[in-house]
Amino acid sequence: IAGITQAPTSQILAAGRRMTLRCTQDMRHNAMYWYRQDLGLGLRLIHYSNTAGTTGKGEVPDGYSVSRANTDDFPLTLASAVPSQTSVYFCASSGLAGGDEQFFGPGTRLTVL
Amino acid sequence: AQSVSQHNHHVILSEAASLELGCNYSYGGTVNLFWYVQYPGQHLQLLLKYFSGDPLVKGIKGFEAEFIKSKFSFNLRKPSVQWSDTAEYFCAVKNQAGTALIFGKGTTLSVSS
Repeated sequence: IAGITQAPTSQILAAGRRMTLRCTQDMRHNAMYWYRQDLGLGLRLIHYSNTAGTTGKGEVPDGYSVSRANTDDFPLTLASAVPSQTSVYFCASSGLAGGDEQFFGPGTRLTVL
Repeated sequence: AQSVSQHNHHVILSEAASLELGCNYSYGGTVNLFWYVQYPGQHLQLLLKYFSGDPLVKGIKGFEAEFIKSKFSFNLRKPSVQWSDTAEYFCAVKNQAGTALIFGKGTTLSVSS
């Protein structure tokens, strides 16, 4: 059982380029989340999805979009990357929406130049 | 807006010393509270959680936390730390909408052997 997988592990991207970070879970969890982790700022929620077919905005959604076509996958897209999006991105899932325990993926380290 | 405050940015201890990391949250209603740990280069893992019942919660690896409603606090404790406890620790609370967790900015714990 893998839990949550994320791809790529790391990426260096030129500003203005489009990038999709992939996240897949095999726990059949209903809810999924994307966070970014920045030094001194902790984890901040970008987008979430309580169930397949629905998504919502978190604390820092600008410049990012998500989709939830099925239970397992929750890709995060940067339509036109900017240097301020340099961060470590974590995908998470939980059995129940919102307050249930969340399980985290290994993260994607993204550098935008 | 809801928030979580972690008072200590960086804590440095010697092995066998006792640990207490502070966490305060802003929401006054029913709360679900969590402590997560992130070991160097790894993803977040759940240490313990509080939903209701006994306000003293025991987690993995000898950690415990006490929920004090009157103080809006959920401090993390360990009687005797080990070098392997070196990590970043995050306090989190379910948001009022029930859609996600709000994380504190984290406390880095460095334990010297």
